[in-house]
Amino acid sequence: DSGVTQTPKHLITATGQRVTLRCSPRSGDLSVYWYQQSLDQGLQFLIQYYNGEERAKGNILERFSAQQFPDLHSELNLSSLELGDSALYFCASSFHEGTEAFFGQGTRLTVV
Amino acid sequence: AQSVTQLDSHVSVSEGTPVLLRCNYSSSYSPSLFWYVQHPNKGLQLLLKYTSAATLVKGINGFEAEFKKSETSFHLTKPSAHMSDAAEYFCVVSRGGATNKLIFGTGTLLAVQP
Repeated sequence: DSGVTQTPKHLITATGQRVTLRCSPRSGDLSVYWYQQSLDQGLQFLIQYYNGEERAKGNILERFSAQQFPDLHSELNLSSLELGDSALYFCASSFHEGTEAFFGQGTRLTVV
Repeated sequence: AQSVTQLDSHVSVSEGTPVLLRCNYSSSYSPSLFWYVQHPNKGLQLLLKYTSAATLVKGINGFEAEFKKSETSFHLTKPSAHMSDAAEYFCVVSRGGATNKLIFGTGTLLAVQP
């Protein structure tokens, strides 16, 4: 158990809908990362937060947004969902930026 | 800019034989380097990390990696493969600092034959 909690574990939704994925980082970790993993794209970095501030953006679509709250948990919002958004979404946390990150078990999103 | 290249997308070994998973990195700064493992339908688990201390790094489950600056490599090794080692392995580079992010390689899928 990495100490990073992601909910829900599985999510099935229809195209055009909006979903929110939640991540609770390890106790004491200030940095949160979001990644998308799909068969054709591999593991893609989406976005990073550090102590509530956005620090780095990767291949995150405009339909996606995220935030980190004062209690350090983070949410990833995916809207106007398309079939191609079906993937595993991982959250990771680390104490400092760039130090080793610990991953949650992921949320498997299926868009039908 | 930082990048990481995993030289093999698939590696197959027999149980009990050595494992070598190759990783080359590019970084303008002194990098931190990591190896992660992902078993099927599981999250990623940290195997080991290099952060400018000893160049030979020992990790969990008998894995080791050696940082070679002259070769810009950080290959992962294990003397004797076990069936439970079958998984996908990711090499990761990080610079640290305010604009840091972890850069993942494309992964190497390790198959272990009985």
